[in-house]
Amino acid sequence: QITLKESGPTLVKPTQTLTLTCTFSGFSLSTSGVGVGWIRQPPGKALEWLALIYWDDDKRYSPSLKSRLTITKDTSKNQVVLTMTNMDPVDTATYYCAHRPAIAAGDAFDIWGQGTMVTVSS
Amino acid sequence: DIQMTQSPSTLSASVGDRVTITCRASQSISSWLAWYQQKPGKAPKLLIYKASSLESGVPSRFSGSGSGTEFTLTISSLQPDDFATYYCQQYNSYRLTFGGGTKVEIK
Repeated sequence: QITLKESGPTLVKPTQTLTLTCTFSGFSLSTSGVGVGWIRQPPGKALEWLALIYWDDDKRYSPSLKSRLTITKDTSKNQVVLTMTNMDPVDTATYYCAHRPAIAAGDAFDIWGQGTMVTVSS
Repeated sequence: DIQMTQSPSTLSASVGDRVTITCRASQSISSWLAWYQQKPGKAPKLLIYKASSLESGVPSRFSGSGSGTEFTLTISSLQPDDFATYYCQQYNSYRLTFGGGTKVEIK
């Protein structure tokens, strides 16, 4: 059974750096084809993809946020970490991590974490 | 970036209705499209991938079709559990994008 869980601060101040950790079980990020992505959702708004890291350490970022994002993996700890610099109130959202399966279906996300709400406010 | 436009943004329907949601891509994405269902306060749930492949465990009343730039999600007979918001997502390019969502409400 695959599970993912996001953790990190619930409140950050403007200009600070946000660090979120996705801890997962039930799969290995060293398995060919597997990936973990980050997606966020501001209150009452649509989903927005942020970043995706693959089993081979290839990394992809949303073009509009690329300069602020870093995604890394620790295969031994079953964790993926997302950092976002220079946080602003518009970054207030629920942040999800999700599993990209090792099948030919491409970059769809079949299992999601419960999400963690991050508020940016002074 | 590839823009994904969903219509309608809100849909009012009754139990038993056949419901169709449309997603249009700003350029061809072949069949690299997924559909998700999201209920309030919950994470999205994958329904359909590769435009028409039903995710394991998803009821067969859900179906997806389309290729290129126009796609549809159909619920053949709306059930009480189906009232939710639905999102499409393209993954033709490494720059993934979601549609704006379609909320299915009780009529």
